[in-house]
Amino acid sequence: GDSVTQMEGPVTLSEEAFLTINCTYTATGYPSLFWYVQYPGEGLQLLLKATKADDKGSNKGFEATYRKETTSFHLEKGSVQVSDSAVYFCALSEPASGSARQLTFGSGTQLTVLP
Amino acid sequence: NAGVTQTPKFQVLKTGQSMTLQCAQDMNHNSMYWYRQDPGMGLRLIYYSASEGTTDKGEVPNGYNVSRLNKREFSLRLESAAPSQTSVYFCASTEKGGGREQFFGPGTRLTVL
Repeated sequence: GDSVTQMEGPVTLSEEAFLTINCTYTATGYPSLFWYVQYPGEGLQLLLKATKADDKGSNKGFEATYRKETTSFHLEKGSVQVSDSAVYFCALSEPASGSARQLTFGSGTQLTVLP
Repeated sequence: NAGVTQTPKFQVLKTGQSMTLQCAQDMNHNSMYWYRQDPGMGLRLIYYSASEGTTDKGEVPNGYNVSRLNKREFSLRLESAAPSQTSVYFCASTEKGGGREQFFGPGTRLTVL
């Protein structure tokens, strides 16, 4: 079945440091890939997505590129801020005609950014 | 638009009690989902509803039932709560179709004593 493996956390960085959170996936078809972010006490919200190979998703300074050859979708940001402190989830959605598109989530990576 | 709303936000139950978690969305989405979130395990799908009138089991359905009351509402019921059901529960919705994001509610934090 489908699976998503994320970099273990927690990750602690200083403000303005470079961030990478690794994500690899296993899927039978050609999934869509997502990064969700969860701020303390809140639900998940979409950060960025990519729907086909070589697509780059970007939002709020975060980027991730859909790499089919390495089955990866690593999240990067050049300069993190304290406000980026949150839990980040990588997820995939397999195309399945006629049914709801379920999301398969990684275990999440807690990021703390120190001033 | 309120998006996806969930009630209650917090609940404490004793073992064996029952309760229903409510979820509603105002985005005219076809598909709705219930997840549970446990530390170190990401989100796991309990049940989903591809469209009004249909429901299907997800990864961890045991001990739960659902009702898709109409296109807007999707409820999750615990008939006899157990401590293993202590978790944070999220409802989500999406348009039917590939590559579309799911929109999540704020969650219900449930403790079963």
